[in-house]
Amino acid sequence: GAGVSQSPSNKVTEKGKDVELRCDPISGHTALYWYRQSLGQGLEFLIYFQGNSAPDKSGLPSDRFSAERTGGSVSTLTIQRTQQEDSAVYLCASSVGLGNEQFFGPGTRLTVL
Amino acid sequence: AQKITQTQPGMFVQEKEAVTLDCTYDTSDQSYGLFWYKQPSSGEMIFLIYQGSYDEQNATEGRYSLNFQKARKSANLVISASQLGDSAMYFCAMRESSLTGANSKLTFGKGITLSVRP
Repeated sequence: GAGVSQSPSNKVTEKGKDVELRCDPISGHTALYWYRQSLGQGLEFLIYFQGNSAPDKSGLPSDRFSAERTGGSVSTLTIQRTQQEDSAVYLCASSVGLGNEQFFGPGTRLTVL
Repeated sequence: AQKITQTQPGMFVQEKEAVTLDCTYDTSDQSYGLFWYKQPSSGEMIFLIYQGSYDEQNATEGRYSLNFQKARKSANLVISASQLGDSAMYFCAMRESSLTGANSKLTFGKGITLSVRP
């Protein structure tokens, strides 16, 4: 596609359920990033992938959060046993490589009831 | 200490006038990059401008320019000839990186709301 796509655009879930958020980066982009934006706040880094290197997971807030990137393209962010404080917009970005401009997707708005 | 500081309250500017959005940063790296992104009410993050720490000249992109003062660790965004469509949240971000570019995540400030008045 022309840009980064994310699905679903909105997700409402009950506390304690698991959710999966998907990101399709721009074709050919080797780096993929996940950020979280709470209401009225800036973006908080979660994790990034670069090619076949081990991902930088330093921003994941707890072990309930995990992400994988299959085949160097699509990525899935999984949140297990969701909590209300997980409610936020989850943004995915990709770039041609490390150190380049990051192009953002439209985000997934997660609401945990 | 915060790495990116944006402390201005909501900003207002008259259409066609210029406005400066402040950003200060904190890093001990010699090589780093500074970014500005725009986030309209629709939620998408739109890249505006980039300044590398070794760039000698201030970056410019159309109506956007970055007033980079390295010694003061500031990277203010200047928008000239404001338009109604410029009303949005504006985020300053920094990428700290080694020579290998191994640390490429962006650290964002809390953002500034800009409202352009007709």
